[in-house]
Parts: sequence; C-alpha cells; structure tokens
Amino acid sequence: AQSVSQHNHHVILSEAASLELGCNYSYGGTVNLFWYVQYPGQHLQLLLKYFSGDPLVKGIKGFEAEFIKSKFSFNLRKPSVQWSDTAEYFCAVNAPGAGSYQLTFGKGTKLSVIP
Amino acid sequence: DAEITQSPRHKITETGRQVTLACHQTWNHNNMFWYRQDLGHGLRLIHYSYGVQDTNKGEVSDGYSVSRSNTEDLPLTLESAASSQTSVYFCASSESIGGGPNTGELFFGEGSRLTVL
Repeated sequence: AQSVSQHNHHVILSEAASLELGCNYSYGGTVNLFWYVQYPGQHLQLLLKYFSGDPLVKGIKGFEAEFIKSKFSFNLRKPSVQWSDTAEYFCAVNAPGAGSYQLTFGKGTKLSVIP
Repeated sequence: DAEITQSPRHKITETGRQVTLACHQTWNHNNMFWYRQDLGHGLRLIHYSYGVQDTNKGEVSDGYSVSRSNTEDLPLTLESAASSQTSVYFCASSESIGGGPNTGELFFGEGSRLTVL
C-alpha cells in the first residue's frame, strides 16, 4: 500500500513569509495527489489536486503545488501567507495503478501564522 | 445544495456500550468512507464502500463495522466501545472516476467527536 510522508509537524511563520510544505509518497506508478486544509474546529476542505497534465497545480486561496515524479514529491507552496492560513494541512494520495483507490493521508502539518 | 451530514456531533459513552455514528450524503456519490483523526496520526481509514451492499476494511477496522443498504447512508458502529476509540470521526464521500472505484475529491462531513469513558 502507498504511504505519505509530511516532513514538518509544525511550521510557524510571520505574515507575508513564503510557505513550502513537503510531501513525499511511496508508490512509483500512477498516482492522484491532493492537498487538504483543516481550519481550527472545521472539517477538511480540498485545496488542490493533481490527476494528470501540467505538474504545477494551482488551487484556491493562492496555493499551488508541484508534482515532481522523479522525487515522488508534491510540495505545497504559497508566496505570501496570511494569518487566516493558520490551519492544518494534509497531503493525500491514491494509486489507481496499484488498484488502490481510497485516499491515504499524511499525518498533517500544522501551520501557525503570526500577525 | 448537496451536503454530507454526520450525527451526533458530540457523544460521550461508556466502555462496552454499542455506539452508532450516522453519515448521510446527498451528493449521490457511490463512494463513502469513514476516517478517524487522532493527534500524531492524521487521518486513518476505518471502512469504506464503493456502492450499495459493498463494504471494505481499512487500515484500522478492528472494533468497527459498517453497512451500506442505500446510496445515501453509511453508518459506523462500534460494537463494544473502548477508550482507545476516543477520537474524532469523519465521514466522506466521492464520485468515481471513469465509472470505476477510482475515487476523486473527497467531500467531508463536519465530524463526530466521540469520548469513551
């Protein structure tokens, strides 16, 4: 089964700083990749997804992610964070090429943005 | 608007009791999932279903069961609640890609916080 690794447990940034959250997955075949965000006390919402095509994916609220197949990575980026980006971020993957259709989530990265 | 609702939102129960968490979606999605969220573990898959009468075990299925008698509902039952099952439970649904079980974007419910004393 595929697995997902998120490198940072907790990231603390000042407003306007740039953000990059790491995500690596374990499966070498065809994958679908997702980033979800969970604001305090809320459920998970989709930020962006990659199924195929342009490896640079743009999502909501100014977030983007780049799929680098050779590195098995799907890092999330934002050029300038705001206090309202304080949340927990989850990377997720499924591997239809392996017959594994359900999503596997990383353990999450908590982002705290200081005003 | 289509949505996915969970009930109850909060539940406190005692060890050994049976508990059922309800999940109802109006997206008409074939795929439904139950995850639990715990500090340090992220989301872990408990059970999932790709359609009516279909159920499958996930990563942490011991002590849990589900049934799928219609498209809209996937109730999660804890047969004999244990303190280790204290958690926040999320139900999710998705449509299939290409007519098969390949799941697209998950739509999540608001979560059910369960405390087992």
